[in-house]
Amino acid sequence: AQKVTQAQTEISVVEKEDVTLDCVYETRDTTYYLFWYKQPPSGELVFLIRRNSFDEQNEISGRYSWNFQKSTSSFNFTITASQVVDSAVYFCALSGALSGYSTLTFGKGTMLLVSP
Amino acid sequence: NAGVTQTPKFQVLKTGQSMTLQCAQDMNHEYMSWYRQDPGMGLRLIHYSVGAGITDQGEVPNGYNVSRSTTEDFPLRLLSAAPSQTSVYFCASSYSGTNTGELFFGEGSRLTVL
Repeated sequence: AQKVTQAQTEISVVEKEDVTLDCVYETRDTTYYLFWYKQPPSGELVFLIRRNSFDEQNEISGRYSWNFQKSTSSFNFTITASQVVDSAVYFCALSGALSGYSTLTFGKGTMLLVSP
Repeated sequence: NAGVTQTPKFQVLKTGQSMTLQCAQDMNHEYMSWYRQDPGMGLRLIHYSVGAGITDQGEVPNGYNVSRSTTEDFPLRLLSAAPSQTSVYFCASSYSGTNTGELFFGEGSRLTVL
């Protein structure tokens, strides 16, 4: 079975602080895909990143960066110099062979509140 | 380009009523799926389809039916609504699975069962 754990239910920071959202996953697959989605207050799901299990390189996109460590089954997401517009619920998700890579198993999400 | 379109966006039902949540995509995606989002629970998979005529159950399928007669459409049916089905429902699609790309989500349908 697959499982994604986001232990942080809610994080509050002040603008310009750096913040890291944790994601720990469980899977028996050797090939799998990890995702992060953002859900702003408007409710839609916004795709942020997709990473396959064979690529452990960290990735940076503007103020966003992701740290993938297979040894600890973690795929953490860092926002540098947070802004009020970053306030949202962030979901980490996993896709594996059981569903033929057709679906996602989501964590419960971390609500990030960035205050001015 | 419409992407994934869900209708209705909001619906209120009484216990025992039936309804269908519609999902359509215009991207020629083979894979489609339905999720429900409840507070503090993340998104949970209800049913999914890897092509026309093929469907399978997800984590929380009870109380829901699906069929996939065309590539474009994947409706979700509630045969006898219960208050426990009060939720936000998301439809998603992808071309050929997460091994080639992301899932695209609709804007969601908020359902309240009284």
